[in-house]
Amino acid sequence: SQQGEEDPQALSIQEGENATMNCSYKTSINNLQWYRQNSGRGLVHLILIRSNEREKHSGRLRVTLDTSKKSSSLLITASRAADTASYFCALRLNSGNTPLVFGKGTRLSVIA
Amino acid sequence: ETGVTQTPRHLVMGMTNKKSLKCEQHLGHNAMYWYKQSAKKPLELMFVYSLEERVENNSVPSRFSPECPNSSHLFLHLHTLQPEDSALYLCASSHSGLSQSEKLFFGSGTQLSVL
Repeated sequence: SQQGEEDPQALSIQEGENATMNCSYKTSINNLQWYRQNSGRGLVHLILIRSNEREKHSGRLRVTLDTSKKSSSLLITASRAADTASYFCALRLNSGNTPLVFGKGTRLSVIA
Repeated sequence: ETGVTQTPRHLVMGMTNKKSLKCEQHLGHNAMYWYKQSAKKPLELMFVYSLEERVENNSVPSRFSPECPNSSHLFLHLHTLQPEDSALYLCASSHSGLSQSEKLFFGSGTQLSVL
């Protein structure tokens, strides 16, 4: 399939700890995007990393991309209870103008 | 607030009803999307409109009928739905549709329950 696969499916950590989520994929991509979704709400774009980039930062977020391993990771440092949400990776494929393809997401719970 | 507004937030309908979901974006974008989100499944793209023309239709059953009267408004007309159609329906918009660097802006969704 063309979608990314997030790992783990669910993650529970204590406030202040770091949270790491991974996304693996099988096809060639132009870019990879991470989105966050609070329960029952819409998705919010977090960060976009292009295929020629290896690492990007945004506040407490750090995203890496390894195109040779076809994988990406999202690190949230010093997590807060408000970071509790589902996190999705979305792939922009190289095959023409195609829509984003989303994975099933990682459910993160940050316990205060 | 993302600039994409969906109504209603919740909808309960019987299998013989006809209803419509509405989406409005205030971002000046030219592309709008309908996604379906079911439990434990990836987000499913249903329809894409770019400059008011449908450019993507992912084999969605005909009981779902989209309408895009202008670049700011998108509707999803529902009729004769099945219980398995119960899901969160998300509308999204982007600047110019299917461009490689596009990011999506989502509404809060309509939680649909079909009885």
